[in-house]
Amino acid sequence: GAVVSQHPSRVICKSGTSVKIECRSLDFQATTMFWYRQFPKQSLMLMATSNEGSKATYEQGVEKDKFLINHASLTLSTLTVTSAHPEDSSFYICSASSAGESGYTFGSGTRLTVV
Amino acid sequence: QKEVEQNSGPLSVPEGAIASLNCTYSDRGSQSFFWYRQYSGKSPELIMSIYSNGDKEDGRFTAQLNKASQYVSLLIRDSQPSDSATYLCAVYSSASKIIFGSGTRLSIRP
Repeated sequence: GAVVSQHPSRVICKSGTSVKIECRSLDFQATTMFWYRQFPKQSLMLMATSNEGSKATYEQGVEKDKFLINHASLTLSTLTVTSAHPEDSSFYICSASSAGESGYTFGSGTRLTVV
Repeated sequence: QKEVEQNSGPLSVPEGAIASLNCTYSDRGSQSFFWYRQYSGKSPELIMSIYSNGDKEDGRFTAQLNKASQYVSLLIRDSQPSDSATYLCAVYSSASKIIFGSGTRLSIRP
């Protein structure tokens, strides 16, 4: 089955620094990947849709200059949280699909803590 | 109206009983429907998909779809403590993206 690998699983960074999270589709090509954020006891919130070779599409209220998304190849998308602040601490999850109507496979998630 | 609605719970069910989870959606053009299970601190895991009206069974899980009523449900038979998790209903919309419900927290009591 489809496998999505996400790294790192946990990261602690200082306020003001930047953090990069990688999402890879291991056994399929993903022209589209999705980035979600989830705060404790809340549902998944779609942040942006990452399109290979073009600009990401951000959901309303998500700052594109703060959450930089790069989808340079059919198997890799990265999310960079720039100038991180404690309120950015959250669980970030990527997902991808070889065929959207068949459902998405999620990466294992990245727990970001900004201190 | 939310695009995909679920009761947040918690839903408490005794071990061995049937757990019934419900979901409604607003986009009548939706064609694909999914149930994900998410354990605390983990990412969601796809457990069932359904595309046509009626029932689909996979082990202890049965998904039910009624497109006329815009209603999807998930039944879990012989509930086990390991089934305790949040269950997310998801719909592949006519806008070509998957929309998630807010999830129902299920607790199986021994």
